[in-house]
Amino acid sequence: SQQGEEDPQALSIQEGENATMNCSYKTSINNLQWYRQNSGRGLVHLILIRSNEREKHSGRLRVTLDTSKKSSSLLITASRAADTASYFCATALLPSGSARQLTFGSGTQLTVLP
Amino acid sequence: GAGVSQSPSNKVTEKGKDVELRCDPISGHTALYWYRQSLGQGLEFLIYFQGNSAPDKSGLPSDRFSAERTGGSVSTLTIQRTQQEDSAVYLCASSLGTGGYNEQYFGPGTRLTVT
Repeated sequence: SQQGEEDPQALSIQEGENATMNCSYKTSINNLQWYRQNSGRGLVHLILIRSNEREKHSGRLRVTLDTSKKSSSLLITASRAADTASYFCATALLPSGSARQLTFGSGTQLTVLP
Repeated sequence: GAGVSQSPSNKVTEKGKDVELRCDPISGHTALYWYRQSLGQGLEFLIYFQGNSAPDKSGLPSDRFSAERTGGSVSTLTIQRTQQEDSAVYLCASSLGTGGYNEQYFGPGTRLTVT
């Protein structure tokens, strides 16, 4: 079963605009990660935010985490056509000290129009 | 260095046949994971290895699925008597260790089609 639900399922914006994707999850987590996938193949890790962090930046990416609401958001600023892809949030669950399988959300398909 | 590689990239097989999917993790990564991605189920965890042992096999969908890892490196996912519902992209990932903050690096996947 999937831990995370993402919205929107699909998002279409113009190049240069910002894109915001949201992820909600159900149980306590160790960390939350965002991945990007092109054309239904390999996933590329974008950013990891720990459960004790509230915000993290990486280049044009900004991720927030609200553990009280069990939600996260991914903001891509100044989007480019090359950002067109599916974006997934993935949660790593407790307990600590164990290898953590990732539980993925359903994904948001982002289309950036040139 | 080289990333995670998987072979074959595409596999078409007849229903009832056995298939083997291979994953070569990043050198030095002790943890290896198998996931499956299909239209109806999204991304599902199947199994992970720490070294050569698989402490958690809970995600394997049936006893037709098995996996092994040898030498702490290459892993093989075997599906026996394939069914059409096994059609999916099978993704392998590896990470440095099993701590909670180790990001997973994914391979390009094997697209399996059962006819």
